[in-house]
Amino acid sequence: SQTIHQWPATLVQPVGSPLSLECTVEGTSNPNLYWYRQAAGRGLQLLFYSVGIGQISSEVPQNLSASRPQDRQFILSSKKLLLSDSGFYLCAWSPRGEQFFGPGTRLTVL
Amino acid sequence: QKEVEQNSGPLSVPEGAIASLNCTYSDRGSQSFFWYRQYSGKSPELIMFIYSNGDKEDGRFTAQLNKASQYVSLLIRDSQPSDSATYLCAVDARSPSGGSNYKLTFGKGTLLTVNP
Repeated sequence: SQTIHQWPATLVQPVGSPLSLECTVEGTSNPNLYWYRQAAGRGLQLLFYSVGIGQISSEVPQNLSASRPQDRQFILSSKKLLLSDSGFYLCAWSPRGEQFFGPGTRLTVL
Repeated sequence: QKEVEQNSGPLSVPEGAIASLNCTYSDRGSQSFFWYRQYSGKSPELIMFIYSNGDKEDGRFTAQLNKASQYVSLLIRDSQPSDSATYLCAVDARSPSGGSNYKLTFGKGTLLTVNP
Protein backbone atom coordinates (compact mmCIF):
# COMPACT_ATOMS: atom_id res chain seq x y z
CA SER A 1 0.00 0.00 0.00
CA GLN A 2 1.00 3.60 -0.49
CA THR A 3 2.28 5.79 2.33
CA ILE A 4 3.13 9.48 2.36
CA HIS A 5 5.52 11.00 4.87
CA GLN A 6 6.20 14.61 5.79
CA TRP A 7 8.73 16.09 8.15
CA PRO A 8 9.12 17.81 10.38
CA ALA A 9 5.70 17.63 12.01
CA THR A 10 6.05 21.05 13.63
CA LEU A 11 8.48 23.88 13.10
CA VAL A 12 9.01 27.30 14.69
CA GLN A 13 11.23 29.62 12.69
CA PRO A 14 12.21 33.28 12.96
CA VAL A 15 11.33 35.75 10.24
CA GLY A 16 14.02 35.83 7.58
CA SER A 17 15.27 32.30 8.20
CA PRO A 18 15.35 29.60 5.48
CA LEU A 19 12.89 26.74 5.19
CA SER A 20 13.02 23.20 3.89
CA LEU A 21 10.08 20.81 4.15
CA GLU A 22 10.29 17.32 2.77
CA CYS A 23 7.67 14.91 1.50
CA THR A 24 8.20 11.34 0.34
CA VAL A 25 5.81 8.76 -1.03
CA GLU A 26 6.22 5.00 -0.77
CA GLY A 27 4.56 2.19 -2.68
CA THR A 28 3.90 3.91 -5.98
CA SER A 29 5.80 5.30 -8.93
CA ASN A 30 5.44 8.47 -10.99
CA PRO A 31 2.77 10.05 -8.79
CA ASN A 32 1.55 13.60 -9.18
CA LEU A 33 2.72 15.54 -6.12
CA TYR A 34 1.27 18.67 -4.56
CA TRP A 35 2.09 21.24 -1.89
CA TYR A 36 -0.79 23.04 -0.19
CA ARG A 37 -0.93 25.61 2.59
CA GLN A 38 -3.84 25.96 4.95
CA ALA A 39 -3.77 29.14 7.00
CA ALA A 40 -5.71 29.27 10.26
CA GLY A 41 -9.44 29.25 9.54
CA ARG A 42 -8.92 29.31 5.79
CA GLY A 43 -9.20 26.90 2.91
CA LEU A 44 -6.56 24.87 1.15
CA GLN A 45 -4.31 26.91 -1.12
CA LEU A 46 -2.44 25.01 -3.82
CA LEU A 47 1.16 26.21 -3.91
CA PHE A 48 2.96 23.86 -6.32
CA TYR A 49 2.34 20.66 -8.18
CA SER A 50 4.54 18.28 -10.12
CA VAL A 51 3.75 15.63 -12.71
CA GLY A 52 7.31 14.30 -12.91
CA ILE A 53 10.93 14.67 -11.84
CA GLY A 54 12.10 18.24 -12.32
CA GLN A 55 8.65 19.39 -13.48
CA ILE A 56 7.23 22.03 -11.14
CA SER A 57 4.20 24.24 -11.69
CA SER A 58 3.72 27.24 -9.43
CA GLU A 59 0.20 28.36 -8.61
CA VAL A 60 0.81 31.60 -6.73
CA PRO A 61 3.68 34.13 -6.74
CA GLN A 62 5.44 34.06 -3.38
CA ASN A 63 8.78 33.59 -1.69
CA LEU A 64 8.48 29.81 -1.74
CA SER A 65 9.92 27.33 -4.22
CA ALA A 66 9.58 23.60 -4.79
CA SER A 67 11.77 20.89 -6.21
CA ARG A 68 11.36 17.25 -7.13
CA PRO A 69 14.82 15.72 -7.18
CA GLN A 70 13.54 12.13 -7.21
CA ASP A 71 10.35 10.46 -8.41
CA ARG A 72 8.81 10.17 -4.96
CA GLN A 73 10.39 13.15 -3.20
CA PHE A 74 8.99 16.66 -3.12
CA ILE A 75 10.66 19.54 -1.29
CA LEU A 76 9.28 22.95 -0.36
CA SER A 77 11.82 25.69 0.33
CA SER A 78 12.20 29.33 1.14
CA LYS A 79 15.29 31.50 1.42
CA LYS A 80 13.68 34.01 3.79
CA LEU A 81 10.48 33.31 5.70
CA LEU A 82 7.80 35.94 6.19
CA LEU A 83 5.28 36.13 9.03
CA SER A 84 2.57 35.39 6.46
CA ASP A 85 4.21 32.02 5.70
CA SER A 86 2.83 30.59 8.93
CA GLY A 87 0.35 27.80 8.36
CA PHE A 88 -0.27 24.11 7.96
CA TYR A 89 1.68 22.73 5.00
CA LEU A 90 0.29 19.65 3.37
CA CYS A 91 1.84 17.40 0.78
CA ALA A 92 -0.44 15.23 -1.31
CA TRP A 93 0.02 12.58 -3.94
CA SER A 94 -2.29 11.41 -6.68
CA PRO A 95 -2.24 8.42 -9.00
CA ARG A 96 -4.20 10.54 -11.47
CA GLY A 97 -7.44 11.59 -9.81
CA GLU A 98 -8.15 11.62 -6.12
CA GLN A 99 -5.50 13.09 -3.86
CA PHE A 100 -4.14 11.62 -0.64
CA PHE A 101 -2.63 13.88 1.96
CA GLY A 102 0.34 13.47 4.23
CA PRO A 103 0.18 14.27 7.96
CA GLY A 104 1.29 17.88 7.41
CA THR A 105 3.84 20.27 8.88
CA ARG A 106 2.66 23.05 11.16
CA LEU A 107 4.91 26.06 10.61
CA THR A 108 4.96 29.07 12.91
CA VAL A 109 7.03 32.06 11.85
CA LEU A 110 7.83 34.46 14.70
CA GLN B 1 -11.75 31.54 -11.58
CA LYS B 2 -13.29 28.16 -10.94
CA GLU B 3 -15.05 28.06 -7.60
CA VAL B 4 -16.41 25.54 -5.16
CA GLU B 5 -18.85 26.89 -2.60
CA GLN B 6 -19.82 25.35 0.72
CA ASN B 7 -21.77 26.66 3.66
CA SER B 8 -19.14 27.26 6.34
CA GLY B 9 -21.52 26.21 9.11
CA PRO B 10 -21.30 25.21 11.81
CA LEU B 11 -23.91 22.58 11.08
CA SER B 12 -25.11 21.06 14.32
CA VAL B 13 -27.09 17.80 14.41
CA PRO B 14 -28.05 15.47 17.25
CA GLU B 15 -26.52 12.04 17.50
CA GLY B 16 -28.34 9.52 15.31
CA ALA B 17 -29.70 12.14 12.89
CA ILE B 18 -28.88 12.58 9.21
CA ALA B 19 -26.32 15.27 8.43
CA SER B 20 -26.60 16.86 4.99
CA LEU B 21 -23.61 18.71 3.57
CA ASN B 22 -23.89 20.64 0.33
CA CYS B 23 -21.52 21.93 -2.31
CA THR B 24 -21.92 23.83 -5.58
CA TYR B 25 -19.31 24.27 -8.26
CA SER B 26 -18.88 26.68 -11.14
CA ASP B 27 -17.01 24.63 -13.78
CA ARG B 28 -19.66 22.84 -15.83
CA GLY B 29 -16.95 20.64 -17.35
CA SER B 30 -15.93 19.07 -14.04
CA GLN B 31 -16.07 15.28 -14.04
CA SER B 32 -14.85 14.11 -10.64
CA PHE B 33 -16.07 15.07 -7.18
CA PHE B 34 -14.57 14.27 -3.82
CA TRP B 35 -15.46 14.60 -0.16
CA TYR B 36 -12.74 14.89 2.47
CA ARG B 37 -13.06 14.87 6.24
CA GLN B 38 -10.63 16.97 8.28
CA TYR B 39 -10.46 16.65 12.05
CA SER B 40 -9.14 19.67 13.91
CA GLY B 41 -5.36 19.84 13.63
CA LYS B 42 -5.16 16.92 11.22
CA SER B 43 -4.80 16.53 7.48
CA PRO B 44 -7.77 15.91 5.15
CA GLU B 45 -8.85 12.31 4.65
CA LEU B 46 -10.66 11.14 1.50
CA ILE B 47 -14.00 9.56 2.39
CA MET B 48 -15.99 9.51 -0.85
CA PHE B 49 -15.71 10.19 -4.55
CA ILE B 50 -18.37 10.25 -7.24
CA TYR B 51 -18.18 10.58 -11.00
CA SER B 52 -21.71 9.89 -12.25
CA ASN B 53 -25.04 11.57 -11.67
CA GLY B 54 -27.07 9.99 -8.92
CA ASP B 55 -26.25 8.47 -5.56
CA LYS B 56 -23.26 6.51 -4.35
CA GLU B 57 -23.42 4.80 -0.98
CA ASP B 58 -20.58 3.64 1.25
CA GLY B 59 -21.64 2.54 4.71
CA ARG B 60 -23.25 5.47 6.51
CA PHE B 61 -22.15 7.89 3.79
CA THR B 62 -24.02 8.73 0.59
CA ALA B 63 -22.69 11.09 -2.04
CA GLN B 64 -25.17 12.66 -4.43
CA LEU B 65 -24.30 14.34 -7.72
CA ASN B 66 -26.43 16.48 -10.01
CA LYS B 67 -24.30 17.79 -12.86
CA ALA B 68 -27.15 19.74 -14.44
CA SER B 69 -27.54 21.76 -11.25
CA GLN B 70 -23.76 21.70 -10.55
CA TYR B 71 -24.48 20.39 -7.10
CA VAL B 72 -22.92 17.65 -5.00
CA SER B 73 -23.89 16.63 -1.50
CA LEU B 74 -22.84 14.26 1.25
CA LEU B 75 -25.33 12.60 3.58
CA ILE B 76 -24.18 11.03 6.82
CA ARG B 77 -26.75 8.70 8.33
CA ASP B 78 -26.85 7.82 12.04
CA SER B 79 -24.43 10.66 12.80
CA GLN B 80 -21.97 10.00 15.60
CA PRO B 81 -19.95 12.43 17.74
CA SER B 82 -16.87 11.02 15.99
CA ASP B 83 -18.22 12.48 12.74
CA SER B 84 -17.65 15.98 14.12
CA ALA B 85 -15.13 17.50 11.73
CA THR B 86 -14.80 19.89 8.81
CA TYR B 87 -15.95 18.38 5.50
CA LEU B 88 -14.25 19.59 2.35
CA CYS B 89 -15.75 19.31 -1.09
CA ALA B 90 -13.28 19.07 -3.99
CA VAL B 91 -13.86 19.19 -7.73
CA ASP B 92 -11.43 18.34 -10.48
CA ALA B 93 -10.12 21.32 -12.42
CA ARG B 94 -10.27 21.09 -16.19
CA SER B 95 -7.89 22.58 -18.71
CA PRO B 96 -9.24 25.00 -21.35
CA SER B 97 -9.31 22.08 -23.80
CA GLY B 98 -11.54 20.14 -21.42
CA GLY B 99 -9.00 17.59 -20.24
CA SER B 100 -8.05 17.07 -16.64
CA ASN B 101 -5.06 19.03 -15.42
CA TYR B 102 -4.82 16.81 -12.34
CA LYS B 103 -5.66 19.61 -9.93
CA LEU B 104 -8.52 19.81 -7.49
CA THR B 105 -10.39 22.92 -6.45
CA PHE B 106 -11.39 22.75 -2.80
CA GLY B 107 -14.23 24.46 -1.02
CA LYS B 108 -13.49 26.09 2.32
CA GLY B 109 -15.33 23.36 4.16
CA THR B 110 -18.37 22.93 6.39
CA LEU B 111 -17.86 22.39 10.11
CA LEU B 112 -20.14 19.61 11.36
CA THR B 113 -20.84 19.15 15.05
CA VAL B 114 -22.72 16.06 16.22
CA ASN B 115 -24.15 16.51 19.70
CA PRO B 116 -24.44 13.47 22.01
